[in-house]
Amino acid sequence: QKEVEQDPGPLSVPEGAIVSLNCTYSNSAFQYFMWYRQYSRKGPELLMYTYSSGNKEDGRFTAQVDKSSKYISLFIRDSQPSDSATYLCAMTRPNAGGTSYGKLTFGQGTILTVHP
Amino acid sequence: GAVVSQHPSRVICKSGTSVKIECRSLDFQATTMFWYRQFPKQSLMLMATSNEGSKATYEQGVEKDKFLINHASLTLSTLTVTSAHPEDSSFYICSATLAGVLDTQYFGPGTRLTVL
Repeated sequence: QKEVEQDPGPLSVPEGAIVSLNCTYSNSAFQYFMWYRQYSRKGPELLMYTYSSGNKEDGRFTAQVDKSSKYISLFIRDSQPSDSATYLCAMTRPNAGGTSYGKLTFGQGTILTVHP
Repeated sequence: GAVVSQHPSRVICKSGTSVKIECRSLDFQATTMFWYRQFPKQSLMLMATSNEGSKATYEQGVEKDKFLINHASLTLSTLTVTSAHPEDSSFYICSATLAGVLDTQYFGPGTRLTVL
């Protein structure tokens, strides 16, 4: 079983739709959670970073973490064609000092297409 | 800010040759850099963690003699794929973290390696 599971999709939605992307994880040691966006043949770009359960909002993006269920989500409101990309969840655990261990474990990535 | 570059962006080489990939943090000092590889439609797999001035730490299953990593300065890390073979063909991506802050990784644009 992979430590981080993410539905690879592909997911196709019309412009303006609300998109929900999800990941589950099995390692309860994970405490820091990120969402990255990766355009084709480019490096990942950090979208959201959270370290506590609950919601975090940034513009059209909302990251949600439920540590009790080991489940994280990314919501995209008013989706645009420019949002078409692969979305990767990533997570890491704290080191002995309590800060991020640094080594990221990625989900497989969900391919999203937003069509006009 | 926090821009990471990689060079070259794409390389094609013959089997048996060595290829060097550079990763640079352009506007910040990166005490830690990470090297990943990504196969088509798959997620990023961490290969090694590189700390400035010390030996890299390789993930299980990654041959350190084949993938030589050097992190000689706070802005430059290099990955050398020695005696490359077709199975080494992949997308190699580096990331860098701000000094003392491992929470957030900034990714380079990646290098597409094709070994004939």
